[in-house]
Order: sequence, then structure tokens, then C-alpha cells
Amino acid sequence: GENVEQHPSTLSVQEGDSAVIKCTYSDSASNYFPWYKQELGKGPQLIIDIRSNVGEKKDQRIAVTLNKTAKHFSLHITETQPEDSAVYFCADSGYSTLTFGKGTMLLVSP
Amino acid sequence: KAGVTQTPRYLIKTRGQQVTLSCSPISGHRSVSWYQQTPGQGLQFLFEYFSETQRNKGNFPGRFSGRQFSNSRSEMNVSTLELGDSALYLCASSLEQNYNEKLFFGSGTQLSVL
Repeated sequence: GENVEQHPSTLSVQEGDSAVIKCTYSDSASNYFPWYKQELGKGPQLIIDIRSNVGEKKDQRIAVTLNKTAKHFSLHITETQPEDSAVYFCADSGYSTLTFGKGTMLLVSP
Repeated sequence: KAGVTQTPRYLIKTRGQQVTLSCSPISGHRSVSWYQQTPGQGLQFLFEYFSETQRNKGNFPGRFSGRQFSNSRSEMNVSTLELGDSALYLCASSLEQNYNEKLFFGSGTQLSVL
């Protein structure tokens, strides 16, 4: 990818609420879009990924949607729990390097 | 199965020194990538190795170098350290043919340059 914009930079929700994080990319060649979760003191962990030939993918409480026309993709977390608190990174990849967004700090209050 | 192991966990160096960081990938993973993470720039790609060959390199100066051994373990070296090199250095391994996919990250080496 070339450039990935991620919003919001911080997100506070109550336990049980839904959380949505949005990313916009610029590289038309991008065809792979992963999401990583980074907890304090740890490296990023892949939580879900999607390819450009798929519009939506779901894994339990986590889902990702992709709009290729608008060049944006989103992470949706339902029924949030305190252990979901972390920094979340989106990324995109085409034919070269993986480009990460700046991250979203998600805080889930009990 | 053991995860990606990075050593050392913390490192303090002074300007002008050099440093070597080590990474052991998940068993069976032949691709190893290195990233630099800072609060200002976020996660930035340094380089990637596969079967002892560097396949891709990010936009970093030549002071940053790396290598991979026949057992897939990798090292990265930073020479003539600058204050701006202070960062968390992350290693990631992948089983995929496309080295950008399904990365498994280690916990990183926190480098402080004084």
C-alpha cells in the first residue's frame, strides 16, 4: 500500500456496545486488508483479514467490511468486553509492502 | 508451538554505537520481516527475508541491515545509532508465500538511544 488513514485515533465505549473503526487507502493495487490488535507490552496480533474479492467477513464478534469503489474498509466489534481494550491497526497490501494505519486506541469500560 | 521470539527485550545504547537484534520465527516459517514502531510514525516496514535472501526493503538508510540464517533465524543491525532510532523493533514471521499475509509478531525489542 501507499497511504492508509485510520479513524478515530481513540474510541471509548461501554461494555456491551459496538465499536467501529474505519480506514481509507489510496493504492488501487491493494488487495489484502488485515486488522491487528496490539495489547500493552506485546506485538500486534492478527485478528481478521479480508481480500479484495470479498465484501465482508465475520468471525464471532468481529467483522470487516470492504468497499473497493470508495477505497475504505472497516472493523466492527459487537458486544465489546473489557479485554477488547487495545490498540487496533488496519493495514493494506498490494504488490509491495504492508502499510499500516496509525492505530486506534479502544477503551472498553465495564 | 512456540511463538516468535525476540531478544533482547530491552536495550539501551548511546549515539554512535551499533546494535544487533535477534529474532527466532515460528517453527516452519521461512519468511521473517522487521518493522520499526514509534509513536510518531507508527509501524514502518524495514525489510523481509525468505530463505536467507532479502526480498524487499523499506525506506530506511543503509545503517539498517539484516540477515537470515539457514534455520530461518534472523538478525537486524543498526550501525552509528542516532537518537531517532529509539523505537520498538518488531519481528514477524509468516508461513505464507506472500510475506505480507498472516504475520505473527514477536513482542519486540525496545531500543533506547541516549
